[in-house]
Amino acid sequence: DAGVIQSPRHEVTEMGQEVTLRCKPISGHDYLFWYRQTMMRGLELLIYFNNNVPIDDSGMPEDRFSAKMPNASFSTLKIQPSEPRDSAVYFCASSLVGGATDTQYFGPGTRLTVL
Amino acid sequence: DQQVKQNSPSLSVQEGRISILNCDYTNSMFDYFLWYKKYPAEGPTFLISISSIKDKNEDGRFTVFLNKSAKHLSLHIVPSQPGDSAVYFCAASAGNQFYFGTGTSLTVIP
Repeated sequence: DAGVIQSPRHEVTEMGQEVTLRCKPISGHDYLFWYRQTMMRGLELLIYFNNNVPIDDSGMPEDRFSAKMPNASFSTLKIQPSEPRDSAVYFCASSLVGGATDTQYFGPGTRLTVL
Repeated sequence: DQQVKQNSPSLSVQEGRISILNCDYTNSMFDYFLWYKKYPAEGPTFLISISSIKDKNEDGRFTVFLNKSAKHLSLHIVPSQPGDSAVYFCAASAGNQFYFGTGTSLTVIP
């Protein structure tokens, strides 16, 4: 299995631009998670999906952030408009059945820089 | 507001010695705790976990200890190897809500 795939690996954009991050979870996994990593706050859970349905988006920082999962093999995290404080590494993870005891498999991350 | 804290940003240990990474949490509702390991330019990978009903879990060179009264957990690596050099994240969960610390960068010196 190829693991969780994220694209792009690096994104540099200017303030005010729209940014779309993409994720392909491991086939057969029912849960998908989006995280943001910063030096100050570590890894923060932004949103998670179960069977393509958003379950909890309480971690999404602002209305500028939105996430979709149109099918079982694809999810996007969009920031519109982007701001310099959005600069971080964004990770996508998937797990088979969810819950704390089920291992989450992380993608390699997208490093976002907003100038 | 950080519910999971790793107060040591970095740690250096000689090869063969013990590495002890610490983590504190604030929410007594957490019922499961995990450690993840992260190499540069890669995503975190699961290392070891412990349920709140236990106080110790061991897997090879890695042992996690949980002190619920102190709301503290620690990861022990014995013996430490150069390949253990990575960033270690502590995490706590309640259901599908996961809270991670800021990480501790471990360097094992050959």
